[in-house]
Amino acid sequence: EADIYQTPRYLVIGTGKKITLECSQTMGHDKMYWYQQDPGMELHLIHYSYGVNSTEKGDLSSESTVSRIRTEHFPLTLESARPSHTSQYLCASSEYGNNQPQHFGDGTRLSIL
Amino acid sequence: GNSVTQMEGPVTLSEEAFLTINCTYTATGYPSLFWYVQYPGEGLQLLLKATKADDKGSNKGFEATYRKETTSFHLEKGSVQVSDSAVYFCALSDRGNTPLVFGKGTRLSVIA
Repeated sequence: EADIYQTPRYLVIGTGKKITLECSQTMGHDKMYWYQQDPGMELHLIHYSYGVNSTEKGDLSSESTVSRIRTEHFPLTLESARPSHTSQYLCASSEYGNNQPQHFGDGTRLSIL
Repeated sequence: GNSVTQMEGPVTLSEEAFLTINCTYTATGYPSLFWYVQYPGEGLQLLLKATKADDKGSNKGFEATYRKETTSFHLEKGSVQVSDSAVYFCALSDRGNTPLVFGKGTRLSVIA
């Protein structure tokens, strides 16, 4: 059962457009994450948040930005999309505390022409 | 730093074959260990976990035992099905409340 929702599931858009990928969770989790998944399936952490008004950059440098104004919502924005941004983006959330598993959305597959 | 190493895929098996996907880790302290599964077109789902040494996690016929002496958490299943075809990720969580560290994933294909 999916308690974490990503929209859109698929997006094909031209270069230079501003894009916002939406992620919402209904579990009341404090921690949320964005991953970029390459065609080889490896996951790269690009942003995470430990709660409202908290955002951190992940291991992979990304031109995207995030915000966390509400607990349940963690949108990712690309100000000016480029073909190099073509990828699958996965959002996840977890309870605060050690050893907590992450719950994932179904992802957004983004293609920049 | 913390890291997870998984066997490289793809792994192709016939239905009812025995599955092992190797996972070893490097961590300071005593991490918790997880296996996730990703079916085509979906996000990752938690498959099983173990939080301390010698714990065995199990779910849907899959098992993995937390081996501190060999720093391993190998995934096993006695008889795979076509529906087990997916990508499997090993991950660890250290005690510092930081994001999970994932392995690179192993793609499994099971043929009838």
